[in-house]
Amino acid sequence: QQQVKQSPQSLIVQKGGISIINCAYENTAFDYFPWYQQFPGKGPALLIAIRPDVSEKKEGRFTISFNKSAKQFSLHIMDSQPGDSATYFCAAAQISGSARQLTFGSGTQLTVLP
Amino acid sequence: GAGVSQSPRYKVAKRGQDVALRCDPISGHVSLFWYQQALGQGPEFLTYFQNEAQLDKSGLPSDRFFAERPEGSVSTLKIQRTQQEDSAVYLCASSLRNYNQPQHFGDGTRLSIL
Repeated sequence: QQQVKQSPQSLIVQKGGISIINCAYENTAFDYFPWYQQFPGKGPALLIAIRPDVSEKKEGRFTISFNKSAKQFSLHIMDSQPGDSATYFCAAAQISGSARQLTFGSGTQLTVLP
Repeated sequence: GAGVSQSPRYKVAKRGQDVALRCDPISGHVSLFWYQQALGQGPEFLTYFQNEAQLDKSGLPSDRFFAERPEGSVSTLKIQRTQQEDSAVYLCASSLRNYNQPQHFGDGTRLSIL
């Protein structure tokens, strides 16, 4: 059962453009939504995370937008750079419930062209 | 180093052999998770420890998989009688407190079963 659906599978953006990756979840008990960045041969690294009590969180060039009623959240990368080329995973978890493990989306391979 | 350390980085085994994968979490981190990442997919939860207690092993795919964390720090994931479908990257993550977030990942062990 895929509880977190991520799209698109791959994304190509020009340098300086905006990269947008979308995720939808099914389990309304989820209350923590992080985004991870993964380079080849490396483990996932936390980029930014949001709780459902806010609709948007910004850290530098990275912004999460969260829509609780639609059960959707997205990552926006502003001024995308070639160094941002990596695979991005959305995830969800329960902070206070029993399912404390992260449930990941299937990933988006981002390529930023110079 | 200050991060999660996993060893070995690469492991090749013949089908039917037993393997052991090691995880050294960040010092002082209470929670430890194991995930399995198939090629081109997001990580999938295997098992979770809080200190030395294994609180959730619902993601272990079969009774050939066994994990332990006897002293509440280093953890070992053991796979008995390996099969080709066990080929994957095995990721370990740790987090500081009971809320289990954020999780910090190691770079994983890439397991190849011939």
